[in-house]
Amino acid sequence: QQPVQSPQAVILREGEDAVINCSSSKALYSVHWYRQKHGEAPVFLMILLKGGEQKGHDKISASFNEKKQQSSLYLTASQLSYSGTYFCGTDYTGNQFYFGTGTSLTVIP
Amino acid sequence: DTAVSQTPKYLVTQMGNDKSIKCEQNLGHDTMYWYKQDSKKFLKIMFSYNNKELIINETVPNRFSPKSPDKAHLNLHINSLELGDSAVYFCASSHGSGGSTDTQYFGPGTRLTVL
Repeated sequence: QQPVQSPQAVILREGEDAVINCSSSKALYSVHWYRQKHGEAPVFLMILLKGGEQKGHDKISASFNEKKQQSSLYLTASQLSYSGTYFCGTDYTGNQFYFGTGTSLTVIP
Repeated sequence: DTAVSQTPKYLVTQMGNDKSIKCEQNLGHDTMYWYKQDSKKFLKIMFSYNNKELIINETVPNRFSPKSPDKAHLNLHINSLELGDSAVYFCASSHGSGGSTDTQYFGPGTRLTVL
């Protein structure tokens, strides 16, 4: 039941862009995105509640395609501070949350 | 003030022992969670609990039991520890009833090592 993320890992140079995808085999009612830096706890980035919704802050944004049962996270002009593991997450049933498989993102100078 | 705190931060113990991890949140949230993160970084929900119901992930062995003395605390008790229990355990909390709109706030994690 866990959403599947792609790619599993990506390495970027500062200033490059990246896209992380999150796909589900079941209908998504909402999509959450979290970032976890090495040795730390996951931290909330954003939530998308409706199909077609797009959100963003700074240079990180996300979209939610309800029909395709997927969401994408866009990182623009990446900074060193963007390094970490990104997780999407969803609640299929209304009472139990599932995180995606995770995407490790490394930004190098 | 730490919003979600866990103790201990590190726990090293022998197989077969029983141990507990404590979690406290001072956010006034209604729902608390326990997650297990394995060496491959997969984050797997174990329990979610609010003052109305306990939702258990069916894949969690019954050696794991959550105990909530009050709304601000959700402790995790583990019986008969096994090598495969070694992982980082995260506590989290959210404002609502655990539904799809809830933002979760995580504690710093407890690294459990079973020898």
